[in-house]
Amino acid sequence: DAKTTQPPSMDCAEGRAANLPCNHSTISGNEYVYWYRQIHSQGPQYIIHGLKNNETNEMASLIITEDRKSSTLILPHATLRDTAVYYCIVKSSGSARQLTFGSGTQLTVLP
Amino acid sequence: DAGVIQSPRHEVTEMGQEVTLRCKPISGHDYLFWYRQTMMRGLELLIYFNNNVPIDDSGMPEDRFSAKMPNASFSTLKIQPSEPRDSAVYFCASSPDSYQPQHFGDGTRLSIL
Repeated sequence: DAKTTQPPSMDCAEGRAANLPCNHSTISGNEYVYWYRQIHSQGPQYIIHGLKNNETNEMASLIITEDRKSSTLILPHATLRDTAVYYCIVKSSGSARQLTFGSGTQLTVLP
Repeated sequence: DAGVIQSPRHEVTEMGQEVTLRCKPISGHDYLFWYRQTMMRGLELLIYFNNNVPIDDSGMPEDRFSAKMPNASFSTLKIQPSEPRDSAVYFCASSPDSYQPQHFGDGTRLSIL
């Protein structure tokens, strides 16, 4: 599975959009981009995933560049409860292999 | 719907004791995963099952660790004998198939004294 690069930390003002970047320049054609987050003392929580089209659900939006070498997770109106470590993971969807969690981005939403 | 349920949430025991962690996956999920999280190594996969059969146990640190899945609704991770370096948070996750995302439980925080 391709490796990912994320900034170690980011801050965001409450009520504003949080844009979390991820680089995955070695991604291959059959690999999806997954986003999870982990709030302190809880298990990782699935947020969203996509292959090449932009995706949106009730939690977030995922924007994938046309060359698929990077993506951005967007939390449209961040709240204090969105403070967490966010992980960007690249994995072949049809593979049952494990998710490989990197260091992630610590997002702190400030009041 | 009930999520992945793990028990106990916290476990403190002395070195050398046997430890058993339990997991109930989401009903209908065919895949079950055991992960361990430490500050030093982050989240790492220990073992995963498909339809109750262990598929990949290459992440199990050593023979002191064993995992079973006797039926589709229950799995255990056992450490015998336990050592202080086994102290970590252990997560169980499940997914319906290899295409769908994994859903995690809230973990068991294990402390070996």
